[in-house]
Amino acid sequence: IAGITQAPTSQILAAGRRMTLRCTQDMRHNAMYWYRQDLGLGLRLIHYSNTAGTTGKGEVPDGYSVSRANTDDFPLTLASAVPSQTSVYFCASSTGSASTDTQYFGPGTRLTVL
Amino acid sequence: GENVEQHPSTLSVQEGDSAVIKCTYSDSASNYFPWYKQELGKRPQLIIDIRSNVGEKKDQRIAVTLNKTAKHFSLHITETQPEDSAVYFCAASKGSNYQLIWGAGTKLIIKP
Repeated sequence: IAGITQAPTSQILAAGRRMTLRCTQDMRHNAMYWYRQDLGLGLRLIHYSNTAGTTGKGEVPDGYSVSRANTDDFPLTLASAVPSQTSVYFCASSTGSASTDTQYFGPGTRLTVL
Repeated sequence: GENVEQHPSTLSVQEGDSAVIKCTYSDSASNYFPWYKQELGKRPQLIIDIRSNVGEKKDQRIAVTLNKTAKHFSLHITETQPEDSAVYFCAASKGSNYQLIWGAGTKLIIKP
C-alpha cells in the first residue's frame, strides 16, 4: 500500500507557465486537501474536497484550481504561475468521517517559480 | 470561525528534560485535537490526538491534555531525545466539514 503519493517531487517553473501537481491516494479516503507551506510558516489550506465530485475553497485559493473526478486523485493546477507561488505543497487525505479527522500527508512537492 | 494559537514559537530544552507546547482554540464546538510532528524536509505526521470526551492521553513519552473549559490543550514530551527535534503543529476540528484549523507551529530544539 503506497498511502498517498505526490508528483513531481520538485519542479522549477517559469512565471506564466501552467503547472499541475498530482496527488493520488489508495486508502479510499473521501476527503482530500491541498496545503502550501512557506519557509518558517505553518500550513495554509488552498482547496479541499469532502468527496468525489465536490470541491471547496480554503484559506488561500487564489491562483489555484482543483478537480475531484474520482476518489483517488486530487490534482492542483496553477493556471499561470507567479513567483509568490514558490512553496512546498502538501496533499493530504482523511476518511471524511465525522468520528475522526486525522489527516495523512503526502511527501510534498517543492515548487520554485522564477 | 475557529482560531488556534500555539505557543511558544521556538522551544529549546536540554536533552532529558521535559517539553510542553500549548495551544488555545476559540470554538467551543471543536471536538478533535491532533498533534503533528514535522522533521526537516519531511511531511507532517500525526503523533497523538485527543477527543473532547477525554482529558488526557498518553503514548510512551508523549502525552496530550485537554481543558475544555479553558479551551486549551497541551503536548507534553518527557525525557526528550535528539530525535524529538522537529516542528510540532497542533490543530482543532469540530468534524462538521472534516477540516483542521492549524496552529502556527513550534520549533523544538533539543540541546545535547
